[in-house]
Amino acid sequence: QSALTQPPSVSGSPGQSVTISCTGTSSDVNSYKSFSWYQQPPGSAPKLMIYEISNRPSGVPDRFSGSKSGNTASLTISGLQAEDEADYYCSSYTTGSTFYVVFGGGTKLTVL
Amino acid sequence: QVQLVESGGGVVQPGRSLRLSCAASGFTFNIYSMHWVRQAPGKGLEWVAVISYDGYNKYYADSVKGRFTISRDNSKNTLHLQMNSLRSEDTAVYYCARGILYFGELDGNPWGQGTLVTVSS
Repeated sequence: QSALTQPPSVSGSPGQSVTISCTGTSSDVNSYKSFSWYQQPPGSAPKLMIYEISNRPSGVPDRFSGSKSGNTASLTISGLQAEDEADYYCSSYTTGSTFYVVFGGGTKLTVL
Repeated sequence: QVQLVESGGGVVQPGRSLRLSCAASGFTFNIYSMHWVRQAPGKGLEWVAVISYDGYNKYYADSVKGRFTISRDNSKNTLHLQMNSLRSEDTAVYYCARGILYFGELDGNPWGQGTLVTVSS
């Protein structure tokens, strides 16, 4: 059960844009079904920000966007705000002969 | 709205057992799959297990396979995680989370606040 790879940290100033990448290994990326992104502020449970690669749940600001190219999914946050400072996790799942959910290692976003 | 409340965490010695519960409300529990996800202190998220709406299909992370058992009581809207042969590396906050209808991935609804399990002698 492989994990997804994210950068440990990213940072940006208020108003800027940042992008967080999420990469599956080349041997299993084709078995991943879709990608989601979760935001976790310190001391809180994770909250879904993007599902099915690029869809936003109701209530999530349109400053948050998702995309995918090849074996890498990305979360872009534009117009950074102080409240965006949190840990971000990508997630996917596989089906077929077995089923499991995988998470990335998490990326700490610091708003400077 | 969907509400999930975990309970049953605590301090337990290595090799012992613990049973976690998750009380669900605000939705029709018996048609949704359910998951457990954990997070070790200062670490990332790790998926633990999933169970189908009827309890027949269950899948586990390799790290807990053979030691943990996920189950559900649809008459009581409750999800369980029986954890046996606990190890120090099982120390984590355990979250329950709703999956999609019948069986499948996490559906993104709010998770519970989690229950802390500490495995220590």
